[in-house]
Amino acid sequence: QITLKESGPTLVKPTQTLTLTCTFSGFSLSTGGVGVGWIRQPPGKALEWLALIYWDDDKRYSPSLKSRLTITKDTSKNQVVLTMTNMDPVDTATYYCAHRVTSDAFDFWGQGTMVTVSS
Amino acid sequence: QSALTQPASVSGSPGQSITISCTGTSSDVGTYNLVSWYQQHPGKAPKLMIYEGSKRPSGVSNRFSGSKSGNTASLTISGLQAEDEADYYCYSYAGSSTFYVFGTGTKVTVL
Repeated sequence: QITLKESGPTLVKPTQTLTLTCTFSGFSLSTGGVGVGWIRQPPGKALEWLALIYWDDDKRYSPSLKSRLTITKDTSKNQVVLTMTNMDPVDTATYYCAHRVTSDAFDFWGQGTMVTVSS
Repeated sequence: QSALTQPASVSGSPGQSITISCTGTSSDVGTYNLVSWYQQHPGKAPKLMIYEGSKRPSGVSNRFSGSKSGNTASLTISGLQAEDEADYYCYSYAGSSTFYVFGTGTKVTVL
C-alpha cells in the first residue's frame, strides 16, 4: 500500500524559504520508472504542477518557478524535499506530493499541507 | 506555458452523461498520449480517474471514460450520480521545455 504525507511549516513570512518534506511508504524511489512530484493549489483555484524527481535523480521544474525551486530525494529515508525560495503571499496554497507512474500520471497523493505566506 | 483549457462548469441530471473537454495545443495534448484526469472533492486530495488518455485505474468505475481528438482530450461520465459532483482536472505531458501542465479545472454539478 502506497502512502505519502507532506510536512512542513504552516506559516512562513514573505521572502523566507519554504522547506516541505514528503515522507512515503509502499514503494522505493530507486525503482526504475518511479517518481515523486509536487503540486500546489491556492485556495479556490486550480492545481499547479511544480516539480518532479525521478528514480535516477533526474529532475524537472515548472519553467515559471524554476529559479525558486529545488527538489531532492533521500532514498534511504523514503523522503523527497522541496524548497521554494523568496516566498510571497501569492504562494499561499495547499501543497501536495504524489507518486508518479511511468505513464506520467499521479496514482497516489498525500493529504496535502496548507502553507500560508503572511507577515 | 498556459494551463490546458477546461470549461468552468458542467452540469447534468442523475443518470445523464456529461463530457468535460480539455483543450491544449500540438505541443502537449495533440502530440502526447499522456493525458490523465483527476477528481477532487472539496477539502480532499485529487484522485486519478483516467491515465494515458483512456485507461482506468483499478477500482475506478467504468462510468468514467476518456478520449482524445486532435488537441482536445475529453472525460465522459455516464450514468451521472450524486457522488460524481466534484472538481475535475486534466493533466498532460507538454514536452521537454514545459514538461507538465494541469487544466483550469471543471466543477461538475449534479442537478
